[in-house]
Amino acid sequence: EDKVVQSPLSLVVHEGDTVTLNCSYEVTNFRSLLWYKQEKKAPTFLFMLTSSGIEKKSGRLSSILDKKELSSILNITATQTGDSAIYLCAGSNFGNEKLTFGTGTRLTIIP
Amino acid sequence: NAGVTQTPKFRILKIGQSMTLQCTQDMNHNYMYWYRQDPGMGLKLIYYSVGAGITDKGEVPNGYNVSRSTTEDFPLRLELAAPSQTSVYFCASSYEDITDTQYFGPGTRLTVL
Repeated sequence: EDKVVQSPLSLVVHEGDTVTLNCSYEVTNFRSLLWYKQEKKAPTFLFMLTSSGIEKKSGRLSSILDKKELSSILNITATQTGDSAIYLCAGSNFGNEKLTFGTGTRLTIIP
Repeated sequence: NAGVTQTPKFRILKIGQSMTLQCTQDMNHNYMYWYRQDPGMGLKLIYYSVGAGITDKGEVPNGYNVSRSTTEDFPLRLELAAPSQTSVYFCASSYEDITDTQYFGPGTRLTVL
């Protein structure tokens, strides 16, 4: 059975700090890894990673995939209170239309 | 564009009752999905559809049914509600496939007592 594990489960930091969120996956016939941000309601898409070692960047957020280690990290620099959310990662595989989600990392930014 | 809309936002059901969760998207997306999210857990796929008239089971389909008669609508039916179905339900859509950007609706919070 496919599995995605995220760590830490929760994280509390001060505004301005840099954080690294981890995601490891065991996905048969792996295709891609996706990161989502979930605030009060619905998840919103952040990144999709398919190639190992290529960093994707959007403002203060960046992410990279390591296929050898079956893992991905999400970095947030100069954190702001608006970054407080649950960050979800999910793995997809070839051959079916299913995403396997991790349980998420709850990030809290203290002003 | 309204994106993905879901109704109702909240609902309380008694054990054994039935209901339909509505989902509509106006982005002409081919793919639509239903997820449930239990407290402290990630999203689990219930059913998905790759186009009108085509549906398939996800990870946790038991106790649910879907239909896709049009591109826009993808209702989720609960026939005999059970407490284990207490959850937040999200509908999502994407243009191409599951790895394409998924747009989520605001969710329906369902409680079964």
